[in-house]
Amino acid sequence: DQQVKQNSPSLSVQEGRISILNCDYTNSMFDYFLWYKKYPAEGPTFLISISSIKDKNEDGRFTVFLNKSAKHLSLHIVPSQPGDSAVYFCAATTNTGKLIFGQGTTLQVKP
Amino acid sequence: ETGVTQTPRHLVMGMTNKKSLKCEQHLGHNAMYWYKQSAKKPLELMFVYSLEERVENNSVPSRFSPECPNSSHLFLHLHTLQPEDSALYLCASSQDWGQLYNEQFFGPGTRLTVL
Repeated sequence: DQQVKQNSPSLSVQEGRISILNCDYTNSMFDYFLWYKKYPAEGPTFLISISSIKDKNEDGRFTVFLNKSAKHLSLHIVPSQPGDSAVYFCAATTNTGKLIFGQGTTLQVKP
Repeated sequence: ETGVTQTPRHLVMGMTNKKSLKCEQHLGHNAMYWYKQSAKKPLELMFVYSLEERVENNSVPSRFSPECPNSSHLFLHLHTLQPEDSALYLCASSQDWGQLYNEQFFGPGTRLTVL
């Protein structure tokens, strides 16, 4: 049973517009959530995270929102740039430190 | 070299071959991980080593055998694999194991094809 789900395999947006990537989870014990970004032929790199005690965390163009009651988080990228085109993975963890990943969403930002 | 490196980047092997994947981290971390990423699937955690001791083994078949000779190096020994084992194998490291705020740093992966 998949505990972290990214139901949209792909997303295409125009440069300058907002990109919204979504992630749902089932385990209410998750305390910490992360987004990783992966370019082809490279490993995933950490992008932004949020603790379960917060509902929003912002870092430049990237903002992560957490809705615990809905067990849902989202990553907003504003404005989107062509260099943001990549696969984005949502991940969640409990105090074990073990990361549970979603299956990823491929974002394409068109110039 | 900086970060996490993996060799080889690509590997093609037959089902009767024995091969090894190598991972090295230059970050001074105490925990290292092997993940498998199959097409359209989430990253699956295979093994975790903390201070050179295996602390997690996620029901991985015995044809995959990890080795951690020191805190900087991690190997994955492969023997009599199946075609369904073809995947991207990613190595990662983190400062410690078992902590909530546990950013993991990934290597570029080894693309494995089993014929």
